[in-house]
Amino acid sequence: SQQGEEDPQALSIQEGENATMNCSYKTSINNLQWYRQNSGRGLVHLILIRSNEREKHSGRLRVTLDTSKKSSSLLITASRAADTASYFCATVPSGGSNYKLTFGKGTLLTVNP
Amino acid sequence: KAGVTQTPRYLIKTRGQQVTLSCSPISGHRSVSWYQQTPGQGLQFLFEYFSETQRNKGNFPGRFSGRQFSNSRSEMNVSTLELGDSALYLCASSFGWDSPLHFGNGTRLTVT
Repeated sequence: SQQGEEDPQALSIQEGENATMNCSYKTSINNLQWYRQNSGRGLVHLILIRSNEREKHSGRLRVTLDTSKKSSSLLITASRAADTASYFCATVPSGGSNYKLTFGKGTLLTVNP
Repeated sequence: KAGVTQTPRYLIKTRGQQVTLSCSPISGHRSVSWYQQTPGQGLQFLFEYFSETQRNKGNFPGRFSGRQFSNSRSEMNVSTLELGDSALYLCASSFGWDSPLHFGNGTRLTVT
C-alpha cells in the first residue's frame, strides 16, 4: 500500500501563479522527499526534508513538514510552463532504509502558458 | 558526470518469455534500486543492491530477480512474463544512506 498520498491528484494553473501540493503519510518517518517526473521519463529529486526539520527552500520551491499531522506540502512559486510534470512525495520510515522509498501516486501539475 | 543509464529504452515481449534490463549507475554510487511504475499501482519498490548484495526487497514474486556486478552495474530479470508486467521499470542509484536517489529514464516494457 502507498505510504504517501498526494493531494490534489491533478492541478491546472496559469503561468506565474503559485502551485501547492500536499502529501500525507501514515507512519513515523526518517525523512520525506519530493521528486518530479516529466512524462515518460525518470524521476528527478527536488528536496529532502528530515523529520526534525520544518521547512526547506530550494530556488522557487518551498517544502514544509508537519510531523504531528503527518503531512508535507510543496509550494512552487511563480510557476512556468516547464514546471508541468508529475510530483511525487516519498517517505523513508523511521528506522528504515533510505533506499526503499515509498512513493505516493503523485500530483499531475499542468502550467498553462 | 554521466547520469544513470538504462538499456534498452523500449522492449516488447510476449507472455511467457523472459527479459533482462540493464542499469549503469552514476560513477561512485554503490547502491542501485529498481522500481516498477504502472498507472494503477504507481511506483513500487522491487529491490536494492549494494556491493553486489541484495539488501532490500519489495513484495514481488520470485519471477523478478536482480543482481549487481563488481562495477556496480545492475541487471534485473523477469521470467515467465505476464501481461501485468507491462510497466516502466526505473533504476536509481545513490551515494549513501542519507542521499537522494538519482533515476534513469527507465525501460518501457510491453508484454503482449
